[in-house]
Amino acid sequence: DQQVKQNSPSLSVQEGRISILNCDYTNSMFDYFLWYKKYPAEGPTFLISISSIKDKNEDGRFTVFLNKSAKHLSLHIVPSQPGDSAVYFCAARYSNDYKLSFGAGTTVTVRA
Amino acid sequence: NAGVTQTPKFRILKIGQSMTLQCTQDMNHNYMYWYRQDPGMGLKLIYYSVGAGITDKGEVPNGYNVSRSTTEDFPLRLELAAPSQTSVYFCASSGLAGKKETQYFGPGTRLLVL
Repeated sequence: DQQVKQNSPSLSVQEGRISILNCDYTNSMFDYFLWYKKYPAEGPTFLISISSIKDKNEDGRFTVFLNKSAKHLSLHIVPSQPGDSAVYFCAARYSNDYKLSFGAGTTVTVRA
Repeated sequence: NAGVTQTPKFRILKIGQSMTLQCTQDMNHNYMYWYRQDPGMGLKLIYYSVGAGITDKGEVPNGYNVSRSTTEDFPLRLELAAPSQTSVYFCASSGLAGKKETQYFGPGTRLLVL
């Protein structure tokens, strides 16, 4: 049972434009959300996170938005750069739990 | 710090063979995890450990075993390899279960069972 869903397997964007990645979750008990980035032949690396007490968290070019009522979060990358080409995973967990539930990932390709 | 290291990087097994995937972390983390990633799928938790001597099953434990005799090491054992175990395996570790803690991943082991 997939509790975290990323319905867009891929996204292609021109360099300098905005990339928007979407993630939906079904379990209303999740209260901490993370985005991981993965390059080929490497492990995922942590990118940015957000707690359910917030609706936005920003870190440089990366911003995550959380809409609890819709059980939806999104990751915005502005401006997109060629080095952002990677697979992005959305993940979620319960308060003070250590286990993560992952989405299937979205492959982002930034075109020059 | 090397972080989380995994060996081997790639392995081909015949059906019915066994092998151990090695995972070591040098961050003194209590929590360690094994995931598998199949094409087009997210990471699925196989087993996890909250400290030396303590392990528990995740979502997809069948066909695997683990042990945690030290804080640093968390090997994953496949006893009778099956084609369904063809996947990429990631080991991860984290320090705390608190809200701001995140998991650190190794580079992965690609396993092909033929």
